Amino acid sequence: DVQMTQSPSTLSASVGDRVTITCRASRSIGNWLAWYQQKPGKAPNLLIYEASTLESGVPSRFSGSGSGTEFTLTISSLQPDDFATYYCQQYSSYWTFGQGTKVEIK
Amino acid sequence: EVQLLESGGGLVQPGGSLRLSCAASGFTFSNYAMSWVRQAPGKGPEWVSAISGTTGGTYYADSVKGRFTISRDNSENTVYLHMKSLRAEDAAVYYCAKKLCSSVGCSAPFDYWGQGTLVSVSS
Repeated sequence: DVQMTQSPSTLSASVGDRVTITCRASRSIGNWLAWYQQKPGKAPNLLIYEASTLESGVPSRFSGSGSGTEFTLTISSLQPDDFATYYCQQYSSYWTFGQGTKVEIK
Repeated sequence: EVQLLESGGGLVQPGGSLRLSCAASGFTFSNYAMSWVRQAPGKGPEWVSAISGTTGGTYYADSVKGRFTISRDNSENTVYLHMKSLRAEDAAVYYCAKKLCSSVGCSAPFDYWGQGTLVSVSS
């Protein structure tokens, strides 16, 4: 099984900040990596797939990078609507999610 | 507009059974693999099971293998999850989710999710 590890678990930031979340895979997954945003009581929402491809309708302040075992999600200028929990997901071998990073208001 | 609507959740005793349903609309259902993903309170999502759109091939997480069965009815645009021998650790919100790509064997995340149905396991 491929294990996914995110850091940090919680991130405190202000509106306008640049935010970076890291995700590491236990073995190489190529670029088969997605990022989701989840708000309380809602299903996860796909933001990025293939490590860096923005899903339709997702604001351009979100970007993804990386390949192999190390990946990052960057929000270039945090907006009020971005305070949420973010999950990475590998889909190289079935599907595995990270434990999540909660982005909270500083 | 793609819509996924789960139903069938509820309270069940340990060792009991439950069948979840997910009614899909807004896309050519038979072309797409579908999955069930669960999320326990305060935890990250966990993929549970998947079923191919065309071949009907089924896949399971080790944690549910032998206890859960996924199936689909392409004439009714519905995917099911039959759960038996339920345990306390199976308690979660269960989501159905659509795979982003339709090609057989393609690697893809989930682009649409339902609103979820809550399964509680307690005596």
